[in-house]
Amino acid sequence: GENVEQHPSTLSVQEGDSAVIKCTYSDSASNYFPWYKQELGKRPQLIIDIRSNVGEKKDQRIAVTLNKTAKHFSLHITETQPEDSAVYFCAARGGNNRLAFGKGNQVVVIP
Amino acid sequence: DAGITQSPRHKVTETGTPVTLRCHQTENHRYMYWYRQDPGHGLRLIHYSYGVKDTDKGEVSDGYSVSRSKTEDFLLTLESATSSQTSVYFCAIGQGDGTDTQYFGPGTRLTVL
Repeated sequence: GENVEQHPSTLSVQEGDSAVIKCTYSDSASNYFPWYKQELGKRPQLIIDIRSNVGEKKDQRIAVTLNKTAKHFSLHITETQPEDSAVYFCAARGGNNRLAFGKGNQVVVIP
Repeated sequence: DAGITQSPRHKVTETGTPVTLRCHQTENHRYMYWYRQDPGHGLRLIHYSYGVKDTDKGEVSDGYSVSRSKTEDFLLTLESATSSQTSVYFCAIGQGDGTDTQYFGPGTRLTVL
């Protein structure tokens, strides 16, 4: 099945700087890549997703890029704010039609 | 948040006892999922359903069973709970018709002593 890896595990950034989280996947048949944000004690919330026929997608301060050749996709957060502090999960839907999740990245925005 | 509720939200039980967790949706989505979340492991799929009475196993299904007798309800049962099943359990729903987006419920924190 699909295997998704996230790097780095923890990312600290100064408020106002950009944060980038990268995920790699193994199944070349994967065609859907969502990102979830989870605050402490809360449910994972979908923040952005991208399909394999698109290379980049933006929504205000967040964007996702996809490189199908290299089998990796990245989340970009610009002008980070304290409320961006959370755990971020990437996922990929593989050929078995199931979502495989990465282990998550803790993002800490330092005021 | 999508119309998903889970019950109970917290439960403490003893090893060997049966436990049933309930997921209820008001979105009429075809697909429903059960995940467990543990530190260092992210979200792992236990079982999922693609319709009433239609279910399939995920990557960590041992020790769990599920049932879906109505579109809106998906039950997860631990027949004989073990300490290794202490976890946070999330239900998710999705339309499953190519859109693939999954929305999560609020979670159930289960502690098995």
